[in-house]
Amino acid sequence: GNSVTQMEGPVTLSEEAFLTINCTYTATGYPSLFWYVQYPGEGLQLLLKATKADDKGSNKGFEATYRKETTSFHLEKGSVQVSDSAVYFCALTNQAGTALIFGKGTTLSVSS
Amino acid sequence: GAGVSQSPSNKVTEKGKDVELRCDPISGHTALYWYRQRLGQGLEFLIYFQGNSAPDKSGLPSDRFSAERTGESVSTLTIQRTQQEDSAVYLCASSAQTLNTEAFFGQGTRLTVV
Repeated sequence: GNSVTQMEGPVTLSEEAFLTINCTYTATGYPSLFWYVQYPGEGLQLLLKATKADDKGSNKGFEATYRKETTSFHLEKGSVQVSDSAVYFCALTNQAGTALIFGKGTTLSVSS
Repeated sequence: GAGVSQSPSNKVTEKGKDVELRCDPISGHTALYWYRQRLGQGLEFLIYFQGNSAPDKSGLPSDRFSAERTGESVSTLTIQRTQQEDSAVYLCASSAQTLNTEAFFGQGTRLTVV
């Protein structure tokens, strides 16, 4: 079945540093790809998504491009802020399209 | 309410007891999902509802787990004869139609089995 692997954390950065969180997937067919974020004390929320190859999702300065040739959906941000400290989850739709399959999450900690 | 609401937020129960976890999705959302997150692990899919029916319950780990949804609204996840390995955060999410519309998550119920 479909699966996703994301880099282990924690990732610790200084403010204004460049961020990359790697995510690769294994899938049958053409899943949709997502990044969800969980800020401290809050529920999971959608950060960005891409529904087909070469699509770029973007939100709040974060970007990720659906790369079918490398089966990847890496999350990037050019200049992180302290307020970006959170747990980030990569996800894709399962083969039946009935559920999201999540990675284990990557904790990002940004210091000023 | 404005978001997905889950209750209780925390539940401590003795091994062998039954527990019920409740989810109130966003009004009008036809799709509802239950997930489990064990400590240090990713989210495990449990069950998906479309309306009041469950076309995908493949993630339920054993026959001790069951869920229902009524009135295309509230859902209840029931765990019978709880075991220590059931300790986890149970998350509920809802979306307007399919997964390509945003799924909104509740804050979860933290279940501890002692």
